[in-house]
Amino acid sequence: GIQVEQSPPDLILQEGANSTLRCNFSDSVNNLQWFHQNPWGQLINLFYIPSGTKQNGRLSATTVATERYSLLYISSSQTTDSGVYFCAVSRGYGQNFVFGPGTRLSVLP
Amino acid sequence: DSGVTQTPKHLITATGQRVTLRCSPRSGDLSVYWYQQSLDQGLQFLIQYYNGEERAKGNILERFSAQQFPDLHSELNLSSLELGDSALYFCASSEGQGYGYTFGSGTRLTVV
Repeated sequence: GIQVEQSPPDLILQEGANSTLRCNFSDSVNNLQWFHQNPWGQLINLFYIPSGTKQNGRLSATTVATERYSLLYISSSQTTDSGVYFCAVSRGYGQNFVFGPGTRLSVLP
Repeated sequence: DSGVTQTPKHLITATGQRVTLRCSPRSGDLSVYWYQQSLDQGLQFLIQYYNGEERAKGNILERFSAQQFPDLHSELNLSSLELGDSALYFCASSEGQGYGYTFGSGTRLTVV
């Protein structure tokens, strides 16, 4: 099956700093999604981004499907950005997503 | 509110017992997915239903079963519970190709 790697595994930032999270996947995919799991356990959809670039406020994401990676950018980080960021991929329509191990982000005030 | 409703939010039960977790997908979503998140295994796919029919199975134990009803809500049944079944159980629904998943808030199961 598809393997998903995320880096770094852990990241500690001072409030206001910028960061880049990376997701590598082992095979061609048609679906890719970034999620944020907040400290209360909720999984929040950030981007559905099988290819290209999207931006939403301080967050943006880029997926280069041909090179099998995706990047999540967080600018001007806030303490509320803390939590675990997951990348999930699937090969095609209706197929289940495979999740990466996540990047644990801690933003310090 | 994501539109995907899971009940109950928390459940504490004893080993050997059986529980049922419920999920109502977003209005119009035909696909329902169940995932288990435990500390040492990450997010693991359990099973998928599409419009009432089982579509795919992942790492689901034989002690676990699920179904999707005509009104599209789904139930995950966990029986002969063991301590190791303690985890967060998530349900997600999807509108279809090009839309990704929307997750419910999860059910936190603790087996004592």
